[in-house]
Amino acid sequence: ETGVTQSPTHLIKTRGQQVTLRCSSQSGHNTVSWYQQALGQGPQFIFQYYREEENGRGNFPPRFSGLQFPNYSSELNVNALELDDSALYLCASSPPQGYNEQFFGPGTRLTVL
Amino acid sequence: TQLLEQSPQFLSIQEGENLTVYCNSSSVFSSLQWYRQEPGEGPVLLVTVVTGGEVKKLKRLTFQFGDARKDSSLHITAAQPGDTGLYLCAGARTGGTSYGKLTFGQGTILTVHP
Repeated sequence: ETGVTQSPTHLIKTRGQQVTLRCSSQSGHNTVSWYQQALGQGPQFIFQYYREEENGRGNFPPRFSGLQFPNYSSELNVNALELDDSALYLCASSPPQGYNEQFFGPGTRLTVL
Repeated sequence: TQLLEQSPQFLSIQEGENLTVYCNSSSVFSSLQWYRQEPGEGPVLLVTVVTGGEVKKLKRLTFQFGDARKDSSLHITAAQPGDTGLYLCAGARTGGTSYGKLTFGQGTILTVHP
C-alpha cells in the first residue's frame, strides 16, 4: 500500500511568483487536507477537499487555492508569494470512514526569497 | 488563538527516564490524535482517541483522553534515544465549518540522551 506522496520535495521561489504543489493520496483515501507548518510550530489547516470540492477552509487568504482530481490527488496553488509563505507544506489524506484520522505525506519545503 | 496548548514545549531527558506530555484545550473534541514528526518529514500518526476517559497503549507509550474530551496526555516509560522527535497533539471536531480540520498544538520537542 502506497502512502501519501508529495512533489516536489523542495522549492525555491521569489516574492510575487506563483507555485503549485502536488499530492497523491493514500490508496483508498478520498479526502485530502493541506497544512502549512512554519519552523518550530504545529501545522496550520489551509483547506480540505472531498469529492473534488473544497470542504472547509482555515484562515488563509484567497491566493491559496486548491484542486482535487477524480483519482483523489490534489494540488495546492499559491499566488503572489510572500516571504512569510516560506514553510513546510503538508498534505494529508483520510479514509472514507473513521474518526477524521489523517495520514501525512513527507511535505514540500517552500522557500520564498 | 492557540486552541490546543501543549506542555512542556521542550523536554531533554536521559535514557531510561519517564516523561509526560500534556495537551489542553477549553474546547471539546470529537477525537484527538497524537503524531510524532522527525526533522524534514511529515507527522506520523501514533494513535487516535475518541471516547472520554479512553486509555490506549502502544508499547512504552500510554495515551489518555480526558473525561470531558478537552485534554489528553502522552506518557513514555523508559525513554530511549529513538523516541527523540517532535510530538504533536491534534484535535478534530465534527459539524459545521470545523469538519475535517485538525487543530494542532505547537508541539513538544523531546530529546533523549544516551
